[in-house]
Amino acid sequence: DQQVKQNSPSLSVQEGRISILNCDYTNSMFDYFLWYKKYPAEGPTFLISISSIKDKNEDGRFTVFLNKSAKHLSLHIVPSQPGDSAVYFCAASPPDKLIFGTGTRLQVFP
Amino acid sequence: DADVTQTPRNRITKTGKRIMLECSQTKGHDRMYWYRQDPGLGLRLIYYSFDVKDINKGEISDGYSVSRQAQAKFSLSLESAIPNQTALYFCATSDRPPGTGGEDTQYFGPGTRLTVL
Repeated sequence: DQQVKQNSPSLSVQEGRISILNCDYTNSMFDYFLWYKKYPAEGPTFLISISSIKDKNEDGRFTVFLNKSAKHLSLHIVPSQPGDSAVYFCAASPPDKLIFGTGTRLQVFP
Repeated sequence: DADVTQTPRNRITKTGKRIMLECSQTKGHDRMYWYRQDPGLGLRLIYYSFDVKDINKGEISDGYSVSRQAQAKFSLSLESAIPNQTALYFCATSDRPPGTGGEDTQYFGPGTRLTVL
C-alpha cells in the first residue's frame, strides 16, 4: 500500500498565481515531511521540510502546511514562476529512511 | 564538482546481462541509498547503508545486490537484468547519524537511466 500519496499527477498554473501541491499520508507516526523538486535529467533536490510538531513552515516563496488530523500536507508556491516547472515529490521521514509519493508535475505558463 | 556522482549516466543492456551502477560522494556522509524511479510510482528504496559494514534491504531489493566499498562508494548490481528493471536509478546520501531522530534530508546524484532490452 502506498503510504504517501500525491493524487494529482499534474498541475498547470499561470505565472504569478499560487501553486498548491497536495500530499496525503497514512501513518500518524511519521515525524517529518519533506518536499523535493526534480528537473529533467537531474536528481531530486531538497526544497523544504516540516516537523510533525508544527503546522506551517515558510521559506521565501515556498510554504508547507501540515494538517495532522487529516494526515495531509500541502506545498504553496507564491508567486509561481516558470522556473518552478518541475516534478515535486513529497516524502515522509520515519526513522532512517524516506518514503516518497508518486510526484506531481507542475507546469507554470506565462 | 558534484557532491554525488553516478556512473554511467545512461546504459542500454540486454536481458540476462550483469550490470553495475556506481555511486561516489564527496560529502563525507555515512548513509547512502539506492532508489529507482518509475513513471507513476515515484521513488522506491532498493537498498541502504549506514556505514561500510551495515547494509539493509529496502522496499524492492529482489533482483538487486549492493556493495559498500568505502564510505564514499556504494555500488548497485543487477546480476541478471530483466526488462522490468528498466528505470531511472538514483543514489543519495545523508549525514544524519543512525539511531538519532530528526528529519533525514537526503542529497541525490544525477541518476542513471537504465534500459534492459
